Amino acid sequence: DGGITQSPKYLFRKEGQNVTLSCEQNLNHDAMYWYRQDPGQGLRLIYYSQIVNDFQKGDIAEGYSVSREKKESFPLTVTSAQKNPTAFYLCASSRRDRSATQYFGPGTRLLVL
Amino acid sequence: AQTVTQSQPEMSVQEAETVTLSCTYDTSENNYYLFWYKQPPSRQMILVIRQEAYKQQNATENRFSVNFQKAAKSFSLKISDSQLGDTAMYFCAFMMSTGTASKLTFGTGTRLQVTL
Repeated sequence: DGGITQSPKYLFRKEGQNVTLSCEQNLNHDAMYWYRQDPGQGLRLIYYSQIVNDFQKGDIAEGYSVSREKKESFPLTVTSAQKNPTAFYLCASSRRDRSATQYFGPGTRLLVL
Repeated sequence: AQTVTQSQPEMSVQEAETVTLSCTYDTSENNYYLFWYKQPPSRQMILVIRQEAYKQQNATENRFSVNFQKAAKSFSLKISDSQLGDTAMYFCAFMMSTGTASKLTFGTGTRLQVTL
């Protein structure tokens, strides 16, 4: 079945540690996105990529980094510079056009130890 | 910048009844798209319905329909014949149609509880 997978489902980070969240899609979508969800808030855009080897900052990119080496994969690294990383992280993908609907993965819950 | 407002943090409805969730947005753009997403306890975001701003006809998907009032910048979701499986957070989202990027702006959500 076509879809978006995220791993792990839960992730624990120690102080000063970088952690990487995985996002893979087999929908043949060019565009991929990372969102952060905090309690009582909607989703906020961290980074997005419209094509391989290209990505742009979203509204809250500080403390995060991404790469897009393959069409199917868009990993997100939460660096030690992100001082409040505890949140639910959602990956999405879409066709590369301005009317495209975004479809979401199941999410990763990141907790700081 | 676009903003999306959902003024109802929580709502409750009895099974088989109808409920309407409110959403307003602010934009100076003329071409855009509006969405309702559902987030059940599993936390997976699921697309419920989509509306193109250039279409006057309100979108419908089975028991879900919208009331899109472009001049008032209002986009409410009506759920008919509510079912227990409709219990979830519902997010209204706005997407501006510029360039090739489809960037979504979300509201803060409405928690819907369907009761027996």
